Amino acid sequence: AQSVTQLDSQVPVFEEAPVELRCNYSSSVSVYLFWYVQYPNQGLQLLLKYLSGSTLVKGINGFEAEFNKSQTSFHLRKPSVHISDTAEYFCAVSEAAGNLIFGKGTKLSVKP
Amino acid sequence: GAGVSQSPRYKVAKRGQDVALRCDPISGHVSLFWYQQALGQGPEFLTYFQNEAQLDKSGLPSDRFFAERPEGSVSTLKIQRTQQEDSAVYLCASSPVDGTIYFGEGSWLTVV
Repeated sequence: AQSVTQLDSQVPVFEEAPVELRCNYSSSVSVYLFWYVQYPNQGLQLLLKYLSGSTLVKGINGFEAEFNKSQTSFHLRKPSVHISDTAEYFCAVSEAAGNLIFGKGTKLSVKP
Repeated sequence: GAGVSQSPRYKVAKRGQDVALRCDPISGHVSLFWYQQALGQGPEFLTYFQNEAQLDKSGLPSDRFFAERPEGSVSTLKIQRTQQEDSAVYLCASSPVDGTIYFGEGSWLTVV
C-alpha cells in the first residue's frame, strides 16, 4: 500500500530565508508525485508534479522539488520565501491514473 | 468556468438531516474524485468516477454516504442522516488523461 510521510507538521521561517519541506513515500510500484498548497479557507492548488523524466521539477511561485528514488523522497524547496507563502503544503503520491494519497500536511509560517 | 466548481461552499446541517453537495468538474475531464478533509488533516479519498462509472468507492466511510455522476459530468455527494463526525471539508477534483488532478475550493460541512 502507498503512504506519504511529511516529517514536519509546522515549519516557521523568516522572510527571504530558504526553506525545505520534507516528504517521504512508500510504494511497491512506480508512482507519480505531487505537491499541493492550501491557503486558509481555500481548496488545494497544484504547485508541481513529477511524472517522469528529469528528477528536478520546477513549479509555480519559485518552488522546486527533487525526486530521489533511492531515498523515496520528494522534498520541496524554495531559496527565498515571502510572507505570501504562508500556507499549508501537502505532498501526495499516486499510481498511474489513480487517486491521490496525501500526507498530513506541513504548515509553513513565514515571519517578517 | 475554468476550474472545478463546488456548491454550496458552506453548509450547516442539523444532526440527522440529509445533505447534497454538488461538483461541476472541468469541462472534458473524464475522471472525478471526492475527498474528505477533516480539520488539521490531509484529504482522504472517498470515491472515484471515470465518466459515469463509479470505479472505486472504497473510501466511503459508511452506507450513509452515496455519490453519483449520472451523465458523466456533474457529480453529487449525498450524506444521509448526518452525524457530527461528518463535519469536514468535502473536496471534489477532476483530471484529464495525463493524471494531474485539479481541486475545487471545497464544501465546508458543519453538523450541529
